[in-house]
Amino acid sequence: QKEVEQDPGPLSVPEGAIVSLNCTYSNSAFQYFMWYRQYSRKGPELLMYTYSSGNKEDGRFTAQVDKSSKYISLFIRDSQPSDSATYLCAMNKGEYGNKLVFGAGTILRVKS
Amino acid sequence: GAGVSQSPSNKVTEKGKDVELRCDPISGHTALYWYRQSLGQGLEFLIYFQGNSAPDKSGLPSDRFSAERTGGSVSTLTIQRTQQEDSAVYLCASSLEGQGYQPQHFGDGTRLSIL
Repeated sequence: QKEVEQDPGPLSVPEGAIVSLNCTYSNSAFQYFMWYRQYSRKGPELLMYTYSSGNKEDGRFTAQVDKSSKYISLFIRDSQPSDSATYLCAMNKGEYGNKLVFGAGTILRVKS
Repeated sequence: GAGVSQSPSNKVTEKGKDVELRCDPISGHTALYWYRQSLGQGLEFLIYFQGNSAPDKSGLPSDRFSAERTGGSVSTLTIQRTQQEDSAVYLCASSLEGQGYQPQHFGDGTRLSIL
């Protein structure tokens, strides 16, 4: 079993929809949780990060962490065709070195 | 400012050849990471540098893989005697430090194809 599970999709939604992307994890030592967006043939771009449980909002994006359930989410409001990309969750233990453990990535398609 | 730069962007080589992949991190970033992204395995950690030292090499898949970093800046990942299973996108990331939480910024990767 992988440490971080993420549904690969693809997830197809109409423009303007609210998108919910999720990951579950098994290692309770993870403390920092990130969402990256990756366009085709580009490197991952950091969207959001949160420490421990709680919510964080940035524009149309909201990240949620529920450590008791080992479950993290990214919500995208008013989705746009430009949001079409692969969304990767990532996490680390906050130790020296901070190597990231990634989910498989969810492919999102926003149709205009 | 300039982001993480990787070269070459694409590399096609024959099985058994050696390849070198280069990473130029963001100026002033002391921590540097190599990851590999493949269809079956997703994005996996390979090695972490703090300055010129590599305190964590736990993700290197075999002794055919090695990496170095010089001057606390440029890093080179070398794969010897390449195999078809080495085909993947090799991504480099850098961050200000390797302690606490520091966001990792990625380059666009080198797409390696082994024939």
